[in-house]
Amino acid sequence: VKLVESGGGSVQPGGSLRLSCAASGFTFSQYWMHWVRQVPGKGLVWLSRIDDDGTTTDYADSVKGRLTISRDNAKNTLYLQLNSLRVEDTAVYYCTTFVGDADDLHSYWGQGVPVTVSS
Amino acid sequence: SYELTQPPAVSVSPGQTARITCSGDALPSKFVYWYQQKSGQAPVLVIYEDTRRPSEIPERFSGSSSGTMATLMISGAQVVDEGDYYCYSSDSSGKHYVFGGGTKLTVL
Repeated sequence: VKLVESGGGSVQPGGSLRLSCAASGFTFSQYWMHWVRQVPGKGLVWLSRIDDDGTTTDYADSVKGRLTISRDNAKNTLYLQLNSLRVEDTAVYYCTTFVGDADDLHSYWGQGVPVTVSS
Repeated sequence: SYELTQPPAVSVSPGQTARITCSGDALPSKFVYWYQQKSGQAPVLVIYEDTRRPSEIPERFSGSSSGTMATLMISGAQVVDEGDYYCYSSDSSGKHYVFGGGTKLTVL
C-alpha cells in the first residue's frame, strides 16, 4: 500500500490549493479515505473523510465550508480542495486510510505534503 | 465540538508499565484507536477498536475501554517505545472524528 500526496506549497491568505493523494497497492474504490493535518510540533487534527464511492463526505466543524474532499476511483486518487486559506491552515497535510478487516486492520498514511499560508 | 482528553506527558523507567488514558463522552459507544508517532514520521496504528492489535505491533501493547475512558498500556516499556501517542475516535453521531491532544511518552 502506498499513498503519495502532492499539490502543496506556499499561498497567500485567501488563496486556494488542491491537494492530491495517489493510492496504490490496494483496491482504492473499496475504502473510505481521510485527510488529517498537523502543524509541526503540534497534534494531529482530523479534517474530513469520504466514503468508498464518493457519495458521503464529512468535515470537521473548523474547516467546513472551506475544504472539499473528493475522489476519482478511476484514477485511484483522493483530493482536498482548500479555499479561503488562512495563516492558521499552515500545516502538513496527510491522506490516510484503514485497510483490512476486524481481525487484522492496518492504517496507512502518506508522507505528508506541506502547505504554507503567508503574506 | 467533541474533544478527547489525554495527559500531556507520561514517564516510566524501562521495563515498567506505561498507561496512557483518553477520556471522551462518546467513548461508551464509539471505538478508540491509538497511534504512535515518532519525530518526523507518519503515525503508526498500535491499537484499533479499543483492544485489537495490528499483526505487526508487539504484544506489549494493549488497550482497554470502560465508560468514558480508554487506556493504552505498554507492558515492559522499552526506550524504542518513546514518542507521541494519540487516541482517535468519533463523536456520538459517527460523522466527526477527533484526535486527542497527544501524550508524550518518555522511557528512561
